[in-house]
This record gives sequence, C-alpha cells and structure tokens, in this order.
Amino acid sequence: DTAVSQTPKYLVTQMGNDKSIKCEQNLGHDTMYWYKQDSKKFLKIMFSYNNKELIINETVPNRFSPKSPDKAHLNLHINSLELGDSAVYFCASSQDLATGGGQPQHFGDGTRLSIL
Amino acid sequence: DAKTTQPNSMESNEEEPVHLPCNHSTISGTDYIHWYRQLPSQGPEYVIHGLTSNVNNRMASLAIAEDRKSSTLILHRATLRDAAVYYCILFPYNAGNNRKLIWGLGTSLGVNP
Repeated sequence: DTAVSQTPKYLVTQMGNDKSIKCEQNLGHDTMYWYKQDSKKFLKIMFSYNNKELIINETVPNRFSPKSPDKAHLNLHINSLELGDSAVYFCASSQDLATGGGQPQHFGDGTRLSIL
Repeated sequence: DAKTTQPNSMESNEEEPVHLPCNHSTISGTDYIHWYRQLPSQGPEYVIHGLTSNVNNRMASLAIAEDRKSSTLILHRATLRDAAVYYCILFPYNAGNNRKLIWGLGTSLGVNP
C-alpha cells in the first residue's frame, strides 16, 4: 500500500487556469506538509497542517490555498497559474507536530506541474 | 535558521562503504539531524535521523560528532540502487518551527559497478 499518494502525477496546463492537487496518507499521521521543488532542485516547505489546522504558511502567494477535509487528506488548490509555478510539488506527512523533529517525514512521489 | 553544508557530489564503488559528510555548525540543542535520499522522479525517502547518539538502522548508520556540529551518513556496502541525492537537514524538535525550512542541494552520490 502506498503510504502517501498524490494525484495527478503530471499536470500540464495553461497560464491563468486553476488546478488542484490531491494528497492522501494512510499512515494515521496527524501532520501533513506541502513542499515545492524548483528547477534547481531546492526543496522548500510551503504549508504544514496538524489535525486539519494550518500551522505554517511560508511565503506562499495567496493564489495557493491548501484544504484539509480530514487529517488523512491535504489538497492544494492553485488559482491563476503563472509560469513560475512550474515545479514538482511534494506532499509529506509525519506522526505529529509537537515532536515532529524527532520523526521521519514520509513523502509522496510528487506532482510535476508544467505551465504553458 | 540552522543550515547544513554538504559536498555537491561524491563517487563510490559498488560494495564499498560510503561516508557522506554534513556540516551544521549552527545547530541548536533541540535540532534533530535527518538524512533523506531522493532517486530520480521520486519523492525524498527517509534514511535515518538522530539527536546526539550514533544511530543504526537497516539502511545506514549515522555518526554524530560530539559537539553535534557535523555528522556522517555511512552506507556500509554501496549498491547501484544507492545512487541518489542525499540530503542532510535539521528539523527542530517542534515541527511548528519549520518555518523557512529549505533543503539544500544535497550530495549527488554516484556508484560505480
């Protein structure tokens, strides 16, 4: 069973469109994250949710809106896509927030977003 | 924010041990040292983590300097499947302090048959 799964794996769309990426984890973890990996391969945290509550929103434009319907799901909706949004987006989870530093993060395989 | 420094790339031979270094001179007392690796077209995969003591698991060993300002990931017998980018990252004890957490570029490990 895939621990952290993301859909779609590839997303090619036009500038200005709105798109969503879905993430689900079956590990029973309380904390989920979205990361962005740019073309230079830097991996940067975007959001962190704990039990459906937003904990971190780190220098991300308002066009990006995460939604957590339950603690097993963390979706990412992006409005008015721009060329600079082209990247690989990774979802991850860890057991909980309070002792997060002492626990592994489990990553999905990423969603490759290409803006035409 | 505590940062890590790793060599851009390293080469090893199959079935030989590999020592991947990481410097983190600004580490704080509550930062955990994590290692992940990323294969092409995949998400990062957890390898090992530790706080102060050396750690062993089925994938690797982690040797942490006494002053915690550096660490070394040890792959005991490299295989071709170990060729990947290896990231050394510091995670604060409270994950709510993960603001501005940016992973470096890691070390690209090549394994020669």
